[in-house]
Amino acid sequence: DAGITQSPRHKVTETGTPVTLRCHQTENHRYMYWYRQDPGHGLRLIHYSYGVKDTDKGEVSDGYSVSRSKTEDFLLTLESATSSQTSVYFCAISEVHFVNYGYTFGSGTRLTVV
Amino acid sequence: AQSVTQLGSHVSVSEGALVLLRCNYSSSVPPYLFWYVQYPNQGLQLLLKYTSAATLVKGINGFEAEFKKSETSFHLTKPSAHMSDAAEYFCAVSDGRDNFNKFYFGSGTKLNVKP
Repeated sequence: DAGITQSPRHKVTETGTPVTLRCHQTENHRYMYWYRQDPGHGLRLIHYSYGVKDTDKGEVSDGYSVSRSKTEDFLLTLESATSSQTSVYFCAISEVHFVNYGYTFGSGTRLTVV
Repeated sequence: AQSVTQLGSHVSVSEGALVLLRCNYSSSVPPYLFWYVQYPNQGLQLLLKYTSAATLVKGINGFEAEFKKSETSFHLTKPSAHMSDAAEYFCAVSDGRDNFNKFYFGSGTKLNVKP
């Protein structure tokens, strides 16, 4: 997937526990994004980053935090997992901020909160 | 505000038949429009994009889409479906004003191709 990997690929966790998902890229792209995918909702933006230590909220950011201490890694943390956060999470990267370039997506992390 | 509507969450066609997946957008400024494809257990791949050049856009795997401003549509077509086209397809829009390349996705259309 063009040098973008997500880990873990699958995770089952209990309600109330913290969970961290990792997105790692080898493309040296500046922009990174976290989306969640749910049936009937398509993909919705959670958080994004426009550089090391530079992040901002997307449309569904409640209950999530992110960190980016290195260009190559973008971490998504569910502070206290809830069943409503059961979803497939996708990371995406973009080299430039010009919108016509589109994204490159990772393969996704399937998270189940029980 | 921008939004994307994909009509039909499931579309079924026979192999060799025309594929038509519908996408309508809402944007207050000229949009940038994309179609992505997602195969089972994989991420999304860019199929094609419209960025204010030619209104008829050709993508990979024989797909194309036409931007129609008067209808605010960007429907995806393929003249002859192949079994390998079975996947979920997402339309996405961005107005380009945001410096951080944010896209808004439709809810997706699952394409089933019957032998």
